[in-house]
Amino acid sequence: EIVLTQSPGTLSLSPGERATLSCRASQSVSSSYLAWYQQKPGQAPRLLIYGASSRATGIPDRFSGSGSGTDFTLTISRLEPEDFAVYYCQQYGSSPWAFGQGTKVEIK
Amino acid sequence: EVQLVQSGAEVKKPGESLKISCKGSGYSFTSYWIGWVRQMPGKGLEWMGIIYPGDSDTRYSPSFQGQVTISADKSISTAYLQWSSLKASDTAMYYCVRLEASGYFDYWGQGTLVTVSS
Repeated sequence: EIVLTQSPGTLSLSPGERATLSCRASQSVSSSYLAWYQQKPGQAPRLLIYGASSRATGIPDRFSGSGSGTDFTLTISRLEPEDFAVYYCQQYGSSPWAFGQGTKVEIK
Repeated sequence: EVQLVQSGAEVKKPGESLKISCKGSGYSFTSYWIGWVRQMPGKGLEWMGIIYPGDSDTRYSPSFQGQVTISADKSISTAYLQWSSLKASDTAMYYCVRLEASGYFDYWGQGTLVTVSS
């Protein structure tokens, strides 16, 4: 069973700054089957990135994903006010699928 | 437009049974896996299991095997999550999701809040 560990737990940044979120897997994630989701308070999560680096439909290009094997990164190039939320990574390469514990991006 | 519309919030007592639903529209319901995700209050996301409505093939996370039952009625494009005997620890928001072919969750329902309290 693959365990995903996200860091940091909380990221305190100002609008306009760059955010770098990490997701580390306990074993290699096959075929880079790694996704990122954003969840705002009171809302369902929404898909941002799949296949480690492909943006989902309608996702702004300030969001980018990278990585392979066991180390993956979500980068938000310039934070907009609507980007302050919790972000989860998920591996879907082997069952059971697993989520990381989440990184909260908060306004500094 | 793809939509997953879930049933409304529920308040139940420990030991009661419950079945919540997720109706898909805007796509071929029998051609995509549907999954369920739990989010306990203030916590992260947990994958519970999936079902393929086309043939009712079902897979469970080991953490939820035997604790819940996932089913689907393809005639009405609806998937279900049910409990036979609720516990207080089942209090959570439950999301249904559609799985894209490779397995990521491309569409999410709005969530169903289940509260179990005596």
